[in-house]
Order: sequence, then C-alpha cells, then structure tokens
Amino acid sequence: AQSVTQLDSHVSVSEGTPVLLRCNYSSSYSPSLFWYVQHPNKGLQLLLKYTSAATLVKGINGFEAEFKKSETSFHLTKPSAHMSDAAEYFCVVSDPGGYQKVTFGTGTKLQVIP
Amino acid sequence: DAGITQSPRHKVTETGTPVTLRCHQTENHRYMYWYRQDPGHGLRLIHYSYGVKDTDKGEVSDGYSVSRSKTEDFLLTLESATSSQTSVYFCAISDDGTGSPYEQYFGPGTRLTVT
Repeated sequence: AQSVTQLDSHVSVSEGTPVLLRCNYSSSYSPSLFWYVQHPNKGLQLLLKYTSAATLVKGINGFEAEFKKSETSFHLTKPSAHMSDAAEYFCVVSDPGGYQKVTFGTGTKLQVIP
Repeated sequence: DAGITQSPRHKVTETGTPVTLRCHQTENHRYMYWYRQDPGHGLRLIHYSYGVKDTDKGEVSDGYSVSRSKTEDFLLTLESATSSQTSVYFCAISDDGTGSPYEQYFGPGTRLTVT
C-alpha cells in the first residue's frame, strides 16, 4: 500500500528566503510523485511531477523537487519565496498499475511574511 | 486549464435530504474521481470511475453513491445528507493516453453545507 507523510502542517518564511516543504512516501513499487498547490478557495493545480526520469524535477513558478529513493523523500524547494506563494501544498504518491488511484498527504500551509 | 466543471458550486441543505453533485468534463478522459477535502485530512477519495458504468469505492465511500452513464458526466449522490458530510467536494479526471499517467486535473470544487 502507498502512503505519504508531509512532515509540517504549517511553514512560515520571510519573503525572499528559501522554501522547504518536506514529504516522505511509502510505496511497494517505483512510484509516481506529485506536488499540487491550492490557493485559498481555489482548486488544485499541478506544480511538478516525478515519473522515473530525472530525479531533480523542475516545476512551475520556480519550484523544484528532488526524488531520493534511499531516503524515500520528495521535498519541495524554492530559492526565494514570493508573497504569491502563500498557499497550501499537497504531496501525492501513486503506484503504477491499478486504476490510477493516488494518495494525498494532509497538506502544508505556507505562510510568506513580508 | 482542463475542461472540468462542477455544479452546483455552493449548496446548503438540511439533514436527511438527498443531494446530487455533478462533474462534467470535456477532455474525454477515462478516469474520474470524487474527493472530499476537510481540514487536517487533505483530499480523501470517495469513489472513482474507470469507464462508463464502471465505478468503485474509495476510502470514505459510506453514505455516498455514484453513477457514470456517459464519459463526460460523473454524479455523486448523498442519499440522506448528514452534518458530517459538510465539506468541499472536488472532482478530478485523468487519462492513460497521451498525457502522463496518474496526473489528475481538478475541478473548481463544490462547497456543501448540511445544516
């Protein structure tokens, strides 16, 4: 069975400083991993995805994530936070096969302080 | 943006009444999903569909039923709404064709309040 743990429910950073949102996963296979962002009262938007190609994945809005199999981690980073990055971020894991079901983490709310 | 709409966008209903939420897609994607989002729980899968008339339960399916009579429409029904079903409901779609597998596209959500 697959699972995902987001290690922080809230993260607060100052504008212009680096962002680190942590995600650990559990999977019996070679998983696909995703990060989604949800701005207040909005739907979810895909930030980036890992599907067994390059382990360093670049996404939209300057975000990137590194797949580390030995650590079962897929942490999301951004060098410099912007006010518009304030949102909730979800790490998602999916095992191959089956009916494309995915498992969501419980989310990390990012606060950006001006 | 993927062509996914949900209706209604907001609904207030009374305990014990039936409620149906509609998800409509224009992408011709095979898979469709219903999730609920509650604080501290992320998104939890209610039901999903892998084709017309092919559906299965997710992790929180009690009290919910679904139907898919056409590729483009996926209906979620609360047979007798309860206060514990107050939530934001999201529909999602995905495909195993030309796009990346498992990448899901989400609708705008329906905010349901059961009083």
